[in-house]
Amino acid sequence: GDSVTQMEGPVTLSEEAFLTINCTYTATGYPSLFWYVQYPGEGLQLLLKATKADDKGSNKGFEATYRKETTSFHLEKGSVQVSDSAVYFCALSDGKTSYDKVIFGPGTSLSVIP
Amino acid sequence: NAGVTQTPKFQVLKTGQSMTLQCAQDMNHEYMSWYRQDPGMGLRLIHYSVGAGITDQGEVPNGYNVSRSTTEDFPLRLLSAAPSQTSVYFCASRDTVDYGYTFGSGTRLTVV
Repeated sequence: GDSVTQMEGPVTLSEEAFLTINCTYTATGYPSLFWYVQYPGEGLQLLLKATKADDKGSNKGFEATYRKETTSFHLEKGSVQVSDSAVYFCALSDGKTSYDKVIFGPGTSLSVIP
Repeated sequence: NAGVTQTPKFQVLKTGQSMTLQCAQDMNHEYMSWYRQDPGMGLRLIHYSVGAGITDQGEVPNGYNVSRSTTEDFPLRLLSAAPSQTSVYFCASRDTVDYGYTFGSGTRLTVV
């Protein structure tokens, strides 16, 4: 079945460092791909999305490109801030069924230290 | 503010008690879902609905019931609480398959 794999955390970075969180997926069709962010004590928030191959999603300085050839959707940010400390979830929506269930990765915890 | 509203935010139940977690959205979204989030398990889908009057099971439906009498509301019922149902529960809604979910702020449930 469809699945999402993320790099294991926790990830700890210094402020202004470059961030990459790897995400790969398995799907038989052409899924839409998402990154969500969860701040402590809150629900998940949609960070960015891409709906077809080679699309680049971007928001708040974060970017991710839909790479069908490598089945990847890695999250990047050029300079992280303390306020980016959160858990990041990669997800896919398989587009095959009338409901189109969303499958989440396990999440990657990021801590940014001053 | 538009969004998904969940109540209560915190709840402690005794084993065997029943309760309803409330979820309401004001965005006229057709799709609504309930997830539970547990350490090391990620998010797991409990039940979902593709519109008023239509519900179906997700991957972990046992011990939970749902109904969808209106587009706005999607309550989750715990029939007889068990310690294994201690978790954080999130309700979410979305418009179409290409749009992401809007999540509620969650209900932290402890069953003792």
